[in-house]
Amino acid sequence: DGGITQSPKYLFRKEGQNVTLSCEQNLNHDAMYWYRQDPGQGLRLIYYSQIVNDFQKGDIAEGYSVSREKKESFPLTVTSAQKNPTAFYLCASSVPGGPWETQYFGPGTRLLVL
Amino acid sequence: AQKVTQAQTEISVVEKEDVTLDCVYETRDTTYYLFWYKQPPSGELVFLIRRNSFDEQNEISGRYSWNFQKSTSSFNFTITASQVVDSAVYFCALSEAGWTDSWGKLQFGAGTQVVVTP
Repeated sequence: DGGITQSPKYLFRKEGQNVTLSCEQNLNHDAMYWYRQDPGQGLRLIYYSQIVNDFQKGDIAEGYSVSREKKESFPLTVTSAQKNPTAFYLCASSVPGGPWETQYFGPGTRLLVL
Repeated sequence: AQKVTQAQTEISVVEKEDVTLDCVYETRDTTYYLFWYKQPPSGELVFLIRRNSFDEQNEISGRYSWNFQKSTSSFNFTITASQVVDSAVYFCALSEAGWTDSWGKLQFGAGTQVVVTP
């Protein structure tokens, strides 16, 4: 079955630690996205990538980094510079990137700070 | 500035009642796209519908219907004869096609929690 997988489901981060969230898709989609969701709020865009080896900052990129070395993978690193990382992180993809395209979402990763 | 406003934080209904979710958007673009997503307790967002700014035809799909009115910048969503499985957070989102920094980015409202009790 085609879809988007995110791992782990829950992730714990210690102070000063970098952590990486995985996002993999087998939908053959060109574009991939990372969103952050805080309680009672909508999703906010962190980074997006329209094509392999290229990505752009979203609205809240500070404290995060990404890479796009393969079409099917778009990992997100939450660095120690992100002072308030506790949130629900959602990955999405679309064919290809553009305002008319529907984005399809993975199951999410919940990040908690110890 | 908030471009998508979902004024209702939570709506509680009894099973079989109808539920209407309000969405008001703001854009200067003439071409744009509107979406509704459902987020059940599991957390994954499920796509429900997409509409472009040139298509004001309202639609019914099973128990779901949509009312898109450009004159009032609203894109409301109705669940008819609600069921317990409809309990979720529903998000309205806007994607603009004008040549600005917002091009192609999904902008979400804060969401409306729907609680359906038996």
